[in-house]
Amino acid sequence: ETGVTQTPRHLVMGMTNKKSLKCEQHLGHNAMYWYKQSAKKPLELMFVYSLEERVENNSVPSRFSPECPNSSHLFLHLHTLQPEDSALYLCASSQNGPTGGQETQYFGPGTRLLVL
Amino acid sequence: GDSVTQMEGPVTLSEEAFLTINCTYTATGYPSLFWYVQYPGEGLQLLLKATKADDKGSNKGFEATYRKETTSFHLEKGSVQVSDSAVYFCALMSGGSNYKLTFGKGTLLTVNP
Repeated sequence: ETGVTQTPRHLVMGMTNKKSLKCEQHLGHNAMYWYKQSAKKPLELMFVYSLEERVENNSVPSRFSPECPNSSHLFLHLHTLQPEDSALYLCASSQNGPTGGQETQYFGPGTRLLVL
Repeated sequence: GDSVTQMEGPVTLSEEAFLTINCTYTATGYPSLFWYVQYPGEGLQLLLKATKADDKGSNKGFEATYRKETTSFHLEKGSVQVSDSAVYFCALMSGGSNYKLTFGKGTLLTVNP
């Protein structure tokens, strides 16, 4: 248990569906991250939020829309996804992120997404 | 750009065997180096880290030494247990960033009783 929770743990959706992934951290951190973990590929950083402001959008398609309403919660809204978007989506948090030192990032268990 | 290369898996060992998982990197500046572990069905957990050359990170019997001359950060454990079965990721945070982690592809370790 790392103090970062994600829901749902598994999700199956069609290409025309709209769904949201949720992440919550209980560590008092100010920075939160979304990563994508695909088979046979390194983890890819998608988005970074620091104090609820987006500081990084790593060339992610607009069908992925992040939202950070406060420093404890992070969402990833999904719409009109493609089968190649099927992956494990990991959320992480760290104390200060871009405004801090090189801090440890704490990861949640991930949401396993399958797009049909 | 920054990159991490780690040995291809899967690695299968018997309990109490010696483990080495190789990791080499290319990076700008002076990166911090990390090993993360992912147990089945779970997210990544930090296993150990080193922030400067010749530092040795250690945790739970695992060790890795930051070797600047060979740009390496190999993970070792003297005697593995079945509970060490997991995917191990080498990662770096380059000297110019406070948050961008670059990961290797991961190495699956299976330890048999």
